[in-house]
Amino acid sequence: DAKTTQPNSMESNEEEPVHLPCNHSTISGTDYIHWYRQLPSQGPEYVIHGLTSNVNNRMASLAIAEDRKSSTLILHRATLRDAAVYYCILRSWRGTGNQFYFGTGTSLTVIP
Amino acid sequence: DARVTQTPRHKVTEMGQEVTMRCQPILGHNTVFWYRQTMMQGLELLAYFRNRAPLDDSGMPKDRFSAEMPDATLATLKIQPSEPRDSAVYFCASGLAKDSGSYNEQFFGPGTRLTVL
Repeated sequence: DAKTTQPNSMESNEEEPVHLPCNHSTISGTDYIHWYRQLPSQGPEYVIHGLTSNVNNRMASLAIAEDRKSSTLILHRATLRDAAVYYCILRSWRGTGNQFYFGTGTSLTVIP
Repeated sequence: DARVTQTPRHKVTEMGQEVTMRCQPILGHNTVFWYRQTMMQGLELLAYFRNRAPLDDSGMPKDRFSAEMPDATLATLKIQPSEPRDSAVYFCASGLAKDSGSYNEQFFGPGTRLTVL
């Protein structure tokens, strides 16, 4: 399965934008890029996903490089509730198989 | 507000005992996943069901772990016999897969924290 590389940790000031990078140089043409986050003592929750084009939703934006070997999750205004571990995941477009590799993620600290 | 539920939330048991964890997926979802999370290994996919049929359990130790879906509203993960190295948080997630097999979002339950002494 294709793997992702993320920084172990990042810090951001409250109400400032946060750019969380992810490298996925071995991505295949049919792999979707997913982002999940895990708040303390909770299960992961879906944030956003995309294939080739940039994506926006109410939680965040996803910017995908033209060659798809990297992507960036953008939180437009970080709040204290955004402090979590953020996972960048590649999901293969297969009906079976081990499709998700969460990796170690980026632990985001939001400073008041 | 539809949610994935898991029971028990916490379980402490002794080595050698059988452990059964239960998951109720969101009504209408046709895919169920079991994950294990530890500090050392992070989140690992153990098994994956679609329409109650196991599609992939390659991440699961076969000699002691088993996963089943007796019906569409219940998924179980069983460990027999349990060992201290099985201590972890076990998450269940569900999703809605299209006919092609692709899906977008997994909804995770709160997890079962298992401690094997």
